[in-house]
Amino acid sequence: EAGVTQFPSHSVIEKGQTVTLRCDPISGHDNLYWYRRVMGKEIKFLLHFVKESKQDESGMPNNRFLAERTGGTYSTLKVQPAELEDSGVYFCASSVDRGYSPLHFGNGTRLTVT
Amino acid sequence: AQKITQTQPGMFVQEKEAVTLDCTYDTSDPSYGLFWYKQPSSGEMIFLIYQGSYDQQNATEGRYSLNFQKARKSANLVISASQLGDSAMYFCAMRWDREYGNKLVFGAGTILRVKS
Repeated sequence: EAGVTQFPSHSVIEKGQTVTLRCDPISGHDNLYWYRRVMGKEIKFLLHFVKESKQDESGMPNNRFLAERTGGTYSTLKVQPAELEDSGVYFCASSVDRGYSPLHFGNGTRLTVT
Repeated sequence: AQKITQTQPGMFVQEKEAVTLDCTYDTSDPSYGLFWYKQPSSGEMIFLIYQGSYDQQNATEGRYSLNFQKARKSANLVISASQLGDSAMYFCAMRWDREYGNKLVFGAGTILRVKS
């Protein structure tokens, strides 16, 4: 089966610009997660979708970040306007259920804000 | 609050030897799951092994085994017969609260370097 795919793999934008990251989860995985790792720091949870609904968005840093999952398939994470501290690697993950099944991660999008 | 601690920022191991990567956790929830992920230099996060809090036996997956000591709240990863391809960042992570299918919480990670 195809894994979690993320696009783009890299993005370099200027402060104040907008960037949209996309994640395609594994087919049939209702649970979709976004995580972020800022350089040298821990991997931090951003939010969790169950199908198209936001189950937990407690990790979203501020209202410049907007995540959507229309139709319960792919998800987008928009940063508008981007700030320097938004630079990092953004991971998407999916899992088949809400229990303790492992999260399957994409390769991440490396975002650089200059 | 739930917390994962990996006290080893970096580790070296000789090829073909075994290595243990430490992980301790803190939770008051009796039900939780513990995971280890590998992140090679290419960047992807690879799931390695899982241990449930109620599992009686330590989890094993090929060369990976999890030394689960519940009373001590530790879940160390043991890699046997290290290979050069094992060089990577390793993350310990935990999920708890089955009912709400909660998020993974990660430790800070340990960089492992395998020497030839």
